[in-house]
Amino acid sequence: EPEVTQTPSHQVTQMGQEVILRCVPISNHLYFYWYRQILGQKVEFLVSFYNNEISEKSEIFDDQFSVERPDGSNFTLKIRSTKLEDSAMYFCASSEAVGSDGYTFGSGTRLTVV
Amino acid sequence: EDQVTQSPEALRLQEGESSSLNCSYTVSGLRGLFWYRQDPGKGPEFLFTLYSAGEEKEKERLKATLTKKESFLHITAPKPEDSATYLCAVQAGNTDKLIFGTGTRLQVFP
Repeated sequence: EPEVTQTPSHQVTQMGQEVILRCVPISNHLYFYWYRQILGQKVEFLVSFYNNEISEKSEIFDDQFSVERPDGSNFTLKIRSTKLEDSAMYFCASSEAVGSDGYTFGSGTRLTVV
Repeated sequence: EDQVTQSPEALRLQEGESSSLNCSYTVSGLRGLFWYRQDPGKGPEFLFTLYSAGEEKEKERLKATLTKKESFLHITAPKPEDSATYLCAVQAGNTDKLIFGTGTRLQVFP
């Protein structure tokens, strides 16, 4: 069964450092997403991406965050200057279309900012 | 404001003891209601999408139903391997994003 692959599975970084979280969406999917889940809290939407541009973003997704699809397979989330409160599980997801059956999520990257 | 509330927060069942999980929602123009299963340290795993009131979907021991205000996930004769957190999410008609509830943590004991 096709999977969304995320790397690394766990990243520890110092406050103020830049991090890049990587995702390989399912190959025939056209819509890509980042969500995050702070420990013990809800899964929260960050950003959606279609046709090489951001289609929607949440209030959380401020100027410290950016997304990119550098080639035909990877989808990345960059946090420019990490804060303690950025510590969370970050999930990448993809779908064939908006509202399609089953957005497929990856297993996540656990980001710990120290 | 679009909102999703799940209850109960946690549920302990004996193997074979059927029960239901509730997801209440308020959303402007429901495009879809999604159920996911999440195991510890893993991403959400898709179970069902429901699009309109009255719709029902089944998969093995799970059955999801939808009304205009809530959805139920019925678990029939659960097994220990059904232990997980079950997440409900809604998508409004004018947006890409899924809005998640806090989930119901289900534990099934042999």
